[in-house]
Amino acid sequence: GDSVTQMEGPVTLSEEAFLTINCTYTATGYPSLFWYVQYPGEGLQLLLKATKADDKGSNKGFEATYRKETTSFHLEKGSVQVSDSAVYFCALSGSSNTGKLIFGQGTTLQVKP
Amino acid sequence: GAGVSQSPSNKVTEKGKDVELRCDPISGHTALYWYRQSLGQGLEFLIYFQGNSAPDKSGLPSDRFSAERTGGSVSTLTIQRTQQEDSAVYLCASRRLAGGAPTDTQYFGPGTRLTVL
Repeated sequence: GDSVTQMEGPVTLSEEAFLTINCTYTATGYPSLFWYVQYPGEGLQLLLKATKADDKGSNKGFEATYRKETTSFHLEKGSVQVSDSAVYFCALSGSSNTGKLIFGQGTTLQVKP
Repeated sequence: GAGVSQSPSNKVTEKGKDVELRCDPISGHTALYWYRQSLGQGLEFLIYFQGNSAPDKSGLPSDRFSAERTGGSVSTLTIQRTQQEDSAVYLCASRRLAGGAPTDTQYFGPGTRLTVL
């Protein structure tokens, strides 16, 4: 079945460092790909998405490119801030028409000043 | 506008008891999802309601779990004869359906933290 694998955390960075969180997927057909973020004490919210190959999703300085050849959707940010500290989830929505999401395990990011 | 709301925010119960968790989706959102977030299993899909169509129950882990949606709005997730492995945060999400696509943004509620003693 469809699945998502993302790098284990926690990831600890200093402010203004470059961030990469790796995400790879296994799916039949052409899934849509998402990054969700869960800030401390808050609910899960969509960060960015890409619905077809080579699409780039971006939001709040974060970017991820849908790479079908490597089945990847790595999350990047050029300069992280303390406020980016959160848990990040990579997810896919498969070929069914329900939109149900399959999530990776989540990666905790801690940014230190 | 109001987001997705869930109640209770926390629920502590004894093993073997039944529990009901409630979700109020965003007004006008006719697609509704339940997910579960647990330490051992991560975030996993449970059930999906789409308007008046039959729900997709493929993620329910056992027949102790059931859910209904009344009047196309509020949804209740019921867990019968709770077990300790049911301890998790239960998340509800909704998205607009009419004129939308399955990949449209799902808006998540704050969750109900269930602890089974």
